[in-house]
Amino acid sequence: QKEVEQDPGPLSVPEGAIVSLNCTYSNSAFQYFMWYRQYSRKGPELLMYTYSSGNKEDGRFTAQVDKSSKYISLFIRDSQPSDSATYLCAPRQGAQKLVFGQGTRLTINP
Amino acid sequence: EPEVTQTPSHQVTQMGQEVILRCVPISNHLYFYWYRQILGQKVEFLVSFYNNEISEKSEIFDDQFSVERPDGSNFTLKIRSTKLEDSAMYFCACLRTGGSTDTQYFGPGTRLTVL
Repeated sequence: QKEVEQDPGPLSVPEGAIVSLNCTYSNSAFQYFMWYRQYSRKGPELLMYTYSSGNKEDGRFTAQVDKSSKYISLFIRDSQPSDSATYLCAPRQGAQKLVFGQGTRLTINP
Repeated sequence: EPEVTQTPSHQVTQMGQEVILRCVPISNHLYFYWYRQILGQKVEFLVSFYNNEISEKSEIFDDQFSVERPDGSNFTLKIRSTKLEDSAMYFCACLRTGGSTDTQYFGPGTRLTVL
């Protein structure tokens, strides 16, 4: 079983839609759950993160972690064409390596 | 805002040649990492470095790879004898303390092309 699984998409939605991006993971030792955004041929850019279970909101973005089911979600409200990118979930344990999912390629159509 | 820088942005080399990829992490960060991403694939961990030594390395990080922090500001990845399959984007990242409010920051990457 892969440590982190993420549907690679592609996912295409109209502008203004609510987007739901998800990952599952197998390592119960993960404590920190990151979401990075990556544009083509660029480095991952931190979007938001949560520590342990729960929700965290930042503007139009909400990150959610359910450690009991090992499920990570990112919701984007009122999606904009500028949100078009690849979204990477990346949990980690302590200061250890990030373990990336495959990334979901998202396109927001005007 | 402090950022991670990497040089060169693109390196083309012949198979069998040595390459050194350079990174300047954020100045007060203590943990350093190299990741790579083969085109169309996921970002993969290579190595982590803390307190002037390797703290973890992946199966990819074999004897052909080495890392150094030669002068307290630069962090380098050396590939001794490049192979075609080393062609990828290489990202440097750093982390300040590893605590609950801490996150890894990535550089823009070096695109390595091995011919």
